[in-house]
Amino acid sequence: SAVISQKPSRDICQRGTSLTIQCQVDSQVTMMFWYRQQPGQSLTLIATANQGSEATYESGFVIDKFPISRPNLTFSTLTVSNMSPEDSSIYLCSARGGSSYEQYFGPGTRLTVT
Amino acid sequence: QKEVEQDPGPLSVPEGAIVSLNCTYSNSAFQYFMWYRQYSRKGPELLMYTYSSGNKEDGRFTAQVDKSSKYISLFIRDSQPSDSATYLCAIETSYDKVIFGPGTSLSVIP
Repeated sequence: SAVISQKPSRDICQRGTSLTIQCQVDSQVTMMFWYRQQPGQSLTLIATANQGSEATYESGFVIDKFPISRPNLTFSTLTVSNMSPEDSSIYLCSARGGSSYEQYFGPGTRLTVT
Repeated sequence: QKEVEQDPGPLSVPEGAIVSLNCTYSNSAFQYFMWYRQYSRKGPELLMYTYSSGNKEDGRFTAQVDKSSKYISLFIRDSQPSDSATYLCAIETSYDKVIFGPGTSLSVIP
């Protein structure tokens, strides 16, 4: 199994600013993902973080708004840029191990934009 | 039609009851099915995984897949207050993409 930690656990940010969320996995993993979860709703995949190359974004999400880095096999960051109240959500980091179905999640970052 | 649909609940049952949670999906090509449990203010954790029609048991939990009906279920026997959580069905559409249902909120009352 993989243990995933995220920083910060929560934050309250002003409109127009940016926040970078860090994700650390305790072991090397093949794939890392970033999800968004609105209160009471399911998870929406933002992008797949690719090690050493640009992230792969899902429809509706763009690099200028959600730049992602993955410098190595255990670490990734997601930046939420030029924030608006609509960006208030829980952002979850996820990682996949050796077997295709073993996907683990971090505890999430609870973001509120005022 | 959404790719994965799930009754959001909330569902409230007495301790010891059998719980049935259900999802439907739209694409008959989907082959890999999972159930995740998410406690409040925590990330989801994998409960069950199956890739074929039929039943799979793990302790008090049974996952059931009916590919002909595009219907998946999770049964919880002898439910406990510690089972109170949101349960998300998930389907792997390709190696690197998993889509989640909206989740069913379950409360088990002592």
